[in-house]
Amino acid sequence: GAVVSQHPSRVICKSGTSVKIECRSLDFQATTMFWYRQFPKKSLMLMATSNEGSKATYEQGVEKDKFLINHASLTLSTLTVTSAHPEDSSFYICSAPRAPRRDTEAFFGQGTRLTVV
Amino acid sequence: AQKVTQAQTEISVVEKEDVTLDCVYETRDTTYYLFWYKQPPSGELVFLIRRNSFDEQNEISGRYSWNFQKSTSSFNFTITASQVVDSAVYFCALSEVNNAGNMLTFGGGTRLMVKP
Repeated sequence: GAVVSQHPSRVICKSGTSVKIECRSLDFQATTMFWYRQFPKKSLMLMATSNEGSKATYEQGVEKDKFLINHASLTLSTLTVTSAHPEDSSFYICSAPRAPRRDTEAFFGQGTRLTVV
Repeated sequence: AQKVTQAQTEISVVEKEDVTLDCVYETRDTTYYLFWYKQPPSGELVFLIRRNSFDEQNEISGRYSWNFQKSTSSFNFTITASQVVDSAVYFCALSEVNNAGNMLTFGGGTRLMVKP
């Protein structure tokens, strides 16, 4: 079964509203989680690294104020898309390593398809 | 900087044909991990394989096989006797350790269409 749960799987919102996406590790604690974004027919691009107990680390070109990340606990990270616009429409997916080692399989959530109208 | 290149953006085959998806990577690390994921139309990423840089043995899992060539920095994926259910986007990825975990650099993906 899934070890990382992402919710919601699909959301449609109006321009100007904010949307929160949750990423939960189900049977392990994750001090780090990663948020990726995927445009239609494109690859996955890392947006930010979510760190429990400290600020998220954003990749170059990602607006911190637009994409708020909060790692509230060892099993939950949230991505909030603030004041959403149609260009924010995308597929967002999180991942969490079971352990902070590179040989750990990265477990991915199911993804969230965001459509801003 | 790490980079993964999947030169084939789309491949179309007829069922039962064999197909190879290419993956070439760049890294300065001596220790690294390579992955393949399948992304069906529903969007979720399905883990297929993880291979570390010290293990150059080829691997076979059912109809799937992987050819890791460190000398050419390639990690190619072959599906034998393809089936319609294999239709999906396939991503090759390279792992990098930041301070705390497993962050992946993805290739651009190859869309595989298997026609009956």
